[in-house]
Amino acid sequence: AAGVIQSPRHLIKEKRETATLKCYPIPRHDTVYWYQQGPGQDPQFLISFYEKMQSDKGSIPDRFSAQQFSDYHSELNMSSLELGDSALYFCASSPRGAGELFFGEGSRLTVL
Amino acid sequence: GENVEQHPSTLSVQEGDSAVIKCTYSDSASNYFPWYKQELGKRPQLIIDIRSNVGEKKDQRIAVTLNKTAKHFSLHITETQPEDSAVYFCAASGTGFQKLVFGTGTRLLVSP
Repeated sequence: AAGVIQSPRHLIKEKRETATLKCYPIPRHDTVYWYQQGPGQDPQFLISFYEKMQSDKGSIPDRFSAQQFSDYHSELNMSSLELGDSALYFCASSPRGAGELFFGEGSRLTVL
Repeated sequence: GENVEQHPSTLSVQEGDSAVIKCTYSDSASNYFPWYKQELGKRPQLIIDIRSNVGEKKDQRIAVTLNKTAKHFSLHITETQPEDSAVYFCAASGTGFQKLVFGTGTRLLVSP
């Protein structure tokens, strides 16, 4: 069965650089969520999209932005990277109202 | 917004023992309560979930109980095995495209 696809799986950037993470949800899933998980931390909700519109916003820094495209894939753009942005970034998708989230393998961002 | 508390933060048991992890939530409108298992550097994996119209659910060695009045739910693992060692997260969400709010995690160590 198709799963949530995230790319890249690993990314190394310098401080103040920009990074873009991509997420391809499971087909026919119309809702995408982004989570950030720091070392030893629980996943923190960043932002979600339903039918290409932002549906909820969590603790996402102003330096970050995201969108969902017409093919339902989503991108998380991170600018002016800081050391504290180093984390695992998970994308998850679900059909609206289903409750269960299906997580991708995650993208590990390291900021040096 | 929703707040989920989880305890204990660490739990060490001997192989074959039972393990219990407890969570409380704050939003009485929450109606979906999943449990995730996460191994180091991997994505959260759903192991069991329960909805608010059910008080208990069991799947082989894993069971979840929900007390809506007290706003708490628990994960029970019986006959623990070393491969059960991981971090376990509880979570809660409402209807529609409500985000999952995670607890702080419990590191379970099962010793042979």
